Amino acid sequence: DTGVSQNPRHKITKRGQNVTFRCDPISEHNRLYWYRQTLGQGPEFLTYFQNEAQLEKSRLLSDRFSAERPKGSFSTLEIQRTEQGDSAMYLCASSLLGSQYFGPGTRLLVL
Amino acid sequence: TQLLEQSPQFLSIQEGENLTVYCNSSSVFSSLQWYRQEPGEGPVLLVTVVTGGEVKKLKRLTFQFGDARKDSSLHITAAQPGDTGLYLCAATSNDYKLSFGAGTTVTVRA
Repeated sequence: DTGVSQNPRHKITKRGQNVTFRCDPISEHNRLYWYRQTLGQGPEFLTYFQNEAQLEKSRLLSDRFSAERPKGSFSTLEIQRTEQGDSAMYLCASSLLGSQYFGPGTRLLVL
Repeated sequence: TQLLEQSPQFLSIQEGENLTVYCNSSSVFSSLQWYRQEPGEGPVLLVTVVTGGEVKKLKRLTFQFGDARKDSSLHITAAQPGDTGLYLCAATSNDYKLSFGAGTTVTVRA
């Protein structure tokens, strides 16, 4: 299966700790997206890369959040000094020109 | 930011019954996607519609895009327990950003 992969699938951390998630997109896709989903809601857009360039960041992405895609392939999303409100499913998606294909997500629980 | 409203929020039916879920907005969409999501997993793309009045069929699923491209529906015929999940509609803005509705949770009882 050559779909979008995300690691880890689950992460439990204590408030104040830093966490990093990884996303590997579909190989030929030049666009990569991060979304966040909380219980009972649809995913919300966080940020978007075209190749290695980060072209948009949502207001949801506070200064504690940073995303990179250094070689235009995989991407990382780091959250510093985690807060309980950061608990959510973090989803990565990729596309070439049209439809976005999602990975399985990383479920974060901040205690 | 366009607001997508999905209805109903929850739907529970018996295996073999038909169901329809709706996605509405006051804005015109350039394209609209339907996804299905199972607990603990990412959304899986079902279909993309781009033309007003378009109807697409995927086995027992029928997707319709309104003539004015402001609304869409998903109809499932003879639902099966495997159809259980969260059905999400999403519209594209700025050529790339997806805006999602809150979803319809469908439960098909055996």
